[in-house]
Amino acid sequence: GQNIDQPTEMTATEGAIVQINCTYQTSGFNGLFWYQQHAGEAPTFLSYNVLDGLEEKGRFSSFLSRSKGYSYLLLKELQMKDSASYLCAVLDSNYQLIWGAGTKLIIKP
Amino acid sequence: NAGVTQTPKFRVLKTGQSMTLLCAQDMNHEYMYWYRQDPGMGLRLIHYSVGEGTTAKGEVPDGYNVSRLKKQNFLLGLESAAPSQTSVYFCASTYRDSGANVLTFGAGSRLTVL
Repeated sequence: GQNIDQPTEMTATEGAIVQINCTYQTSGFNGLFWYQQHAGEAPTFLSYNVLDGLEEKGRFSSFLSRSKGYSYLLLKELQMKDSASYLCAVLDSNYQLIWGAGTKLIIKP
Repeated sequence: NAGVTQTPKFRVLKTGQSMTLLCAQDMNHEYMYWYRQDPGMGLRLIHYSVGEGTTAKGEVPDGYNVSRLKKQNFLLGLESAAPSQTSVYFCASTYRDSGANVLTFGAGSRLTVL
C-alpha cells in the first residue's frame, strides 16, 4: 500500500527553528509537495521538490532524499502566524497525489 | 480574481436527504478535484475531472456523483446522505508552477449528516 508518515503534532517557540519530517512509501515518485493549512481554512501551496536537495523560499526550506523516501520542511524565525497544519503529499507513478494526515504546529511565545 | 469558490460553506442534512456542492473557478484550469478531509486522515480524493465533460473516480467515490458540464464548474452530489459523509469537502483546481501541478483550493464546505 501507499503511505505517508508525518508527526501528528509539534510545538516550537516563536523565533526558533523547527523541522517537520515526512517519510513516504509510494508506487513511483513524481514529486513531493508541502502545503500549509490554517485551522478552518484551505490548504495553500508552500513548496515542490522533485530532485534531491534543498529548495529555499524565504523563511521556509524543503529537502528531499528520494533514495530514503524522506523529506523535511524547515521553518526559520518562527512567527505566531506559522501556527498551522503542514501537509506532505507525494505524486505517485499515476500522477495521483497521496496525502499525509498533516502535522499540527503549535507556536508558543 | 476570485480563484476557487465553493458553495455552500456549511450545511446540515438528515440521513437520506440529497444535496449538491458547487465549485466554480475563474482561472481557466483544466483539472478539477473534489476531496474530503476527516480528522486524523489525509485528504482523500472523491472524484476528479481532466476537462469539460469528463469525470473520473478517485479513492473514495461511493455515495457521490459529479458533473463537469462547464469548464469553470464542478458539482459534487450526494444522492442519499449518510452520517459517514459528515466531513469537510474541498474543491481544487490546478495550474502549473515549475513543472508541477500545484493545487488551488476552495475555502471548504462543512457538511454534517444527522
